[in-house]
Amino acid sequence: DAKTTQPNSMESNEEEPVHLPCNHSTISGTDYIHWYRQLPSQGPEYVIHGLTSNVNNRMASLAIAEDRKSSTLILHRATLRDAAVYYCILRDVITSGTYKYIFGTGTRLKVLA
Amino acid sequence: ETGVTQTPRHLVMGMTNKKSLKCEQHLGHNAMYWYKQSAKKPLELMFVYSLEERVENNSVPSRFSPECPNSSHLFLHLHTLQPEDSALYLCASSQDLERDPQYFGPGTRLTVL
Repeated sequence: DAKTTQPNSMESNEEEPVHLPCNHSTISGTDYIHWYRQLPSQGPEYVIHGLTSNVNNRMASLAIAEDRKSSTLILHRATLRDAAVYYCILRDVITSGTYKYIFGTGTRLKVLA
Repeated sequence: ETGVTQTPRHLVMGMTNKKSLKCEQHLGHNAMYWYKQSAKKPLELMFVYSLEERVENNSVPSRFSPECPNSSHLFLHLHTLQPEDSALYLCASSQDLERDPQYFGPGTRLTVL
């Protein structure tokens, strides 16, 4: 079962910031929070990941709550090409030191021109 | 370009056919994965390979048979499939099982008649 919960869908206007929330109340102390997105007719694409501190890269920012039970993916200026399904993912242990992703249903982001 | 290629991109097969899906990664990674994405369901992990050794079989029916002849290639052999097996089959790779991110291919859209 997915370890994260996200809204099914969100809308944003082009050129405006988008905040995509994710709840992960059962997160353990060593779990990283991962975000991927899946554009239409493509495989998922890595966006960002973090543990405790807020993280920034060229695609997005990740804001992690102090208790780590929730996080927010921030797209600073949404474009039409950002329309996709965004997945917030935790991992499950396969064996000691090895992991697998547990995907949920994600948030479908619609960007309006 | 993600560095992970999948062929064919589309496949239609009858329930009595035998076919194979191919995945190739050009990233020098040691771990490879097969996922299934059905309509309106989360991505499901099917198989995980690390250094050509299977480390996870996620309760997948025996009509799906994976093969990893080397760390760059992964196959999914299909035999006697059912219509409910129609889905997008995604391949991914990562440096190893401990390290992120995973890089996904574009998927094979499979239709079973």
